[in-house]
This record gives sequence, structure tokens and C-alpha cells, in this order.
Amino acid sequence: GDSVTQMEGPVTLSEEAFLTINCTYTATGYPSLFWYVQYPGEGLQLLLKATKADDKGSNKGFEATYRKETTSFHLEKGSVQVSDSAVYFCALKTDSWGKLQFGAGTQVVVTP
Amino acid sequence: NAGVTQTPKFQVLKTGQSMTLQCAQDMNHNSMYWYRQDPGMGLRLIYYSASEGTTDKGEVPNGYNVSRLNKREFSLRLESAAPSQTSVYFCASSEARSGANVLTFGAGSRLTVL
Repeated sequence: GDSVTQMEGPVTLSEEAFLTINCTYTATGYPSLFWYVQYPGEGLQLLLKATKADDKGSNKGFEATYRKETTSFHLEKGSVQVSDSAVYFCALKTDSWGKLQFGAGTQVVVTP
Repeated sequence: NAGVTQTPKFQVLKTGQSMTLQCAQDMNHNSMYWYRQDPGMGLRLIYYSASEGTTDKGEVPNGYNVSRLNKREFSLRLESAAPSQTSVYFCASSEARSGANVLTFGAGSRLTVL
């Protein structure tokens, strides 16, 4: 079945450091890929998405490129801020009804 | 700007008690979902409703029932709560017919079963 694997956390960084969160997937067909972010005490919100191979999603300084050859969708940000401290979820969608398969989530802690 | 509203935000139950989690969305979305979030396991789909009048099981439906009351509301019921159902529950909605489906989530309901 479909699945998403993302790196375990927590990831602890200093402000202005480079962030990478690895995400790989297994799916039949051609999934759409997503990154969601969950700030403390809140629900998940969409960070970025990509719908086909080689698409790059970007938002708020975060980027991820849909790599079909390596079945990956790694999240990157060049210079993190304390406000980026959150849990990040990689997810995929394969069916027409929009059900998402989520990874386990990666907690990111950014210190001043 | 309400989006997806869930109630209650917190609830403590004893084993065997029943309760209903309520969810309402004001975005005229067709599809609605209930997920549970557990440490190290991400979010797992309990039930979903692709459109008004339909409901289907997700990955972990045992011990739960749902009702799609109308297009706006989708409730989740625990008939006889068990400690294994201690979790944070999220309701979400989407316009599933769009190509890259985007889910809008509620703020969550934290349930503890003693």
C-alpha cells in the first residue's frame, strides 16, 4: 500500500541555519505530494504542494521538489527562524477523493 | 473566517463511556474527514465522507461511528470508549474534486480515556 517515510526528530537548529527534512514515499500511480505544518496547539495547515514529477512547491521560504526517480519530496529552507519551530508532515494523495497518507511527522526546534 | 470548527477541545472520559465529537465547516466543501494523531504515527484516517450522504471507513475505523448530518457537519462517535482511543482527533474538509486536493484542518480535540 501507499506509505510515507520521513526522518525522525526532533531536529534542533540555531536561527539562520539550513533545514532539510527528508521524505520518501511508496505509491502506485502518480501521487500528489504535500508538506503540512503544525504549530503548537494548532491544527495542520498546508505549507506547499506538488502534483507531478519535477514540480517545485514553495512557500514562506520553504521549498520541495517532486523527484519521481528517487520517490522523494525533501523539504528545505535556507535560513530558519524561531517562528519555524513546529511539526512538519509529509503526505501523499493517490485517489480522486482526496484521502491523504501522512508520514509520522518531524518536530523542528529552532533556538535563538 | 471560521473554516473548520471542532468541539469540544478537551474531554476526559472513563472506559466504557460514550461521546460525540462535532465538526462543522463553512467553506461549502464536499468532502470531510476524521483523523487521529498519535505520537510517532502521524495522522491516521478514521472515516471520511466524500460527499453529503456518503461515509466510508479509513485506516482505523474500529470503535468509531460517523454521521454526515448535512453538507456542513460531520460527527464522530465513540460508543464505548477505550484507553487505546486516547488521542488528538482532527476533522478536515476539502473540495475533493480539485486536482491537488488541499485539506483544511480544525484545531483538534484532545481526548483522554481513563
